[in-house]
Amino acid sequence: GQQLNQSPQSMFIQEGEDVSMNCTSSSIFNTWLWYKQDPGEGPVLLIALYKAGELTSNGRLTAQFGITRKDSFLNISASIPSDVGIYFCAGPSRFGQGTRLTINP
Amino acid sequence: EAGVVQSPRYKIIEKKQPVAFWCNPISGHNTLYWYRQNLGQGPELLIRYENEEAVDDSQLPKDRFSAERLKGVDSTLKIQPAELGDSAVYLCASSNYILGLIYEQYFGPGTRLTVT
Repeated sequence: GQQLNQSPQSMFIQEGEDVSMNCTSSSIFNTWLWYKQDPGEGPVLLIALYKAGELTSNGRLTAQFGITRKDSFLNISASIPSDVGIYFCAGPSRFGQGTRLTINP
Repeated sequence: EAGVVQSPRYKIIEKKQPVAFWCNPISGHNTLYWYRQNLGQGPELLIRYENEEAVDDSQLPKDRFSAERLKGVDSTLKIQPAELGDSAVYLCASSNYILGLIYEQYFGPGTRLTVT
């Protein structure tokens, strides 16, 4: 089946720093989705990507759909405390293991 | 627009007991998903419906898990009998699936199941 590898597994940063995380797949995807999950809640969609090479922004978040269709990255600029949480990449019905973001004030 | 609704939010049962979870997807979404999320892990797909049809149930432990989506709207996921290892959060999501593309999935808050 499809394997998704997400890295890093965790990040500890200072408030104001930029963040970058990525995801690779063992197979080609037609869709890449990035989600954020807070404790006790379901994942919330941040960005959806549908074309190879597509670069999409949502406020301080930017995500790209890799040219090979097997990878994607998510960047967060100028992190703030509310960015704390777990970020997941996803293809069709398959999720990565998540990147846990912790911010030191 | 109302989001995905799930109930109950929490459930504690003893092992070997049955349990059922209910999901009402976003109105108009033809695709419904059930995921299981273990602590510290990403969601894992159990079953995906397109309208009334289960199109991907390869990860559903069919000896004890069952699901239905009557009339292509609400869905119920059942476990009978529950085992200790079934303790997890069960998430429901919905989306539209058109022309081979799965569009954005929207998740409910989940049901946290504890089996004692």
